[in-house]
Amino acid sequence: EDKVVQSPLSLVVHEGDTVTLNCSYEVTNFRSLLWYKQEKKAPTFLFMLTSSGIEKKSGRLSSILDKKELSSILNITATQTGDSAIYLCAGTNFGNEKLTFGTGTRLTIIP
Amino acid sequence: GAGVSQSPRYKVAKRGQDVALRCDPISGHVSLFWYQQALGQGPEFLTYFQNEAQLDKSGLPSDRFFAERPEGSVSTLKIQRTQQEDSAVYLCASSFSRGSSYNSPLHFGNGTRLTVT
Repeated sequence: EDKVVQSPLSLVVHEGDTVTLNCSYEVTNFRSLLWYKQEKKAPTFLFMLTSSGIEKKSGRLSSILDKKELSSILNITATQTGDSAIYLCAGTNFGNEKLTFGTGTRLTIIP
Repeated sequence: GAGVSQSPRYKVAKRGQDVALRCDPISGHVSLFWYQQALGQGPEFLTYFQNEAQLDKSGLPSDRFFAERPEGSVSTLKIQRTQQEDSAVYLCASSFSRGSSYNSPLHFGNGTRLTVT
């Protein structure tokens, strides 16, 4: 059974700090890894990663996949209070269409 | 519509009651997924539709759970004889492409929070 593990479970930092969120996966016939941000209800899409070593960037957020280590990181620089949310990582495989999510990292930014 | 719409937003049911949760996907989206998110957990896959065809229902926890999408648009998740362990947020997601391929990531609705008392 596919499995995704995220760390840390929660993180509290001050505004302006840089954070790194971790995701490791055990996915048979791996296809892609996705990051979502969940503020209140609906997870919103951040990144989809399929190739190892290629950084994807969107503003202050960036992410990279390491297929050798079966892991991914999500970096957020110069954090703002609006970055407070749960960050979810999910893996997909070529065998079916479902996303296997981790438990998420709850990030809290203190002003 | 602009996004995936789910109703009701909140549902309280007494144990043993049947409930029906509705999802209106983004217009034109081929794929539709249901996920269950328990408190403090990540979403767990329930079922997947491609148009009106239910291609994967491997995540439905028991035969009390039933989903349909008869015309390939709106979907309903029905839970019969609800139990306390069914309490969770039920998320619907849709995608333009077939499946959850990397060309078209999932767009989630705000979910229905079901509380079974």
